[in-house]
Amino acid sequence: GNSVTQMEGPVTLSEEAFLTINCTYTATGYPSLFWYVQYPGEGLQLLLKATKADDKGSNKGFEATYRKETTSFHLEKGSVQVSDSAVYFCALTGQAGTALIFGKGTTLSVSS
Amino acid sequence: NAGVMQNPRHLVRRRGQEARLRCSPMKGHSHVYWYRQLPEEGLKFMVYLQKENIIDESGMPKERFSAEFPKEGPSILRIQQVVRGDSAAYFCASSPGPNSGANVLTFGAGSRLTVL
Repeated sequence: GNSVTQMEGPVTLSEEAFLTINCTYTATGYPSLFWYVQYPGEGLQLLLKATKADDKGSNKGFEATYRKETTSFHLEKGSVQVSDSAVYFCALTGQAGTALIFGKGTTLSVSS
Repeated sequence: NAGVMQNPRHLVRRRGQEARLRCSPMKGHSHVYWYRQLPEEGLKFMVYLQKENIIDESGMPKERFSAEFPKEGPSILRIQQVVRGDSAAYFCASSPGPNSGANVLTFGAGSRLTVL
């Protein structure tokens, strides 16, 4: 079945450091890929998405490229801020109408 | 334009009681999903519903748990005879449906159930 694997956290960085959170997936067909972010005490918010191979999703300085050859969708940001501290979830959905499958989440903590 | 509304935000129940969690989807959304988040774990899919239909309940425990999304009113996740292991955050999400393109889900703020 479909699955998502994320790097274990927590990830602890200083402000303005470069961020990479790895995500790989297993899926049949051509899934759509997503990154969601969860701030403390809140629900999940869509951060970015990509729907086909080689697409790059981007938002708020975050980027991720859909790599079919490596089945990956790594999240990157060039310079993190304290306000980026949150839990980041990689997710995929297969055929239309199927539910999102999430990774376990990676906690990011950014200090000033 | 309200987002996905969940209530109650916090619910405390004693073992053996019933818990009812409600979810009103975004305006214009006809598909609802329920997820459970346990401490230190990710989100686990439970059930996917359309109005008056259960589309996929493969993640729902076979006993004590049920879900509905009636023609009128919110979606309800019902947990009967709660046990301590049911303590978790339960998130609802909604979407316009699969014909709208990539299935982007909008999440509510969650309902946190504590079983004493």
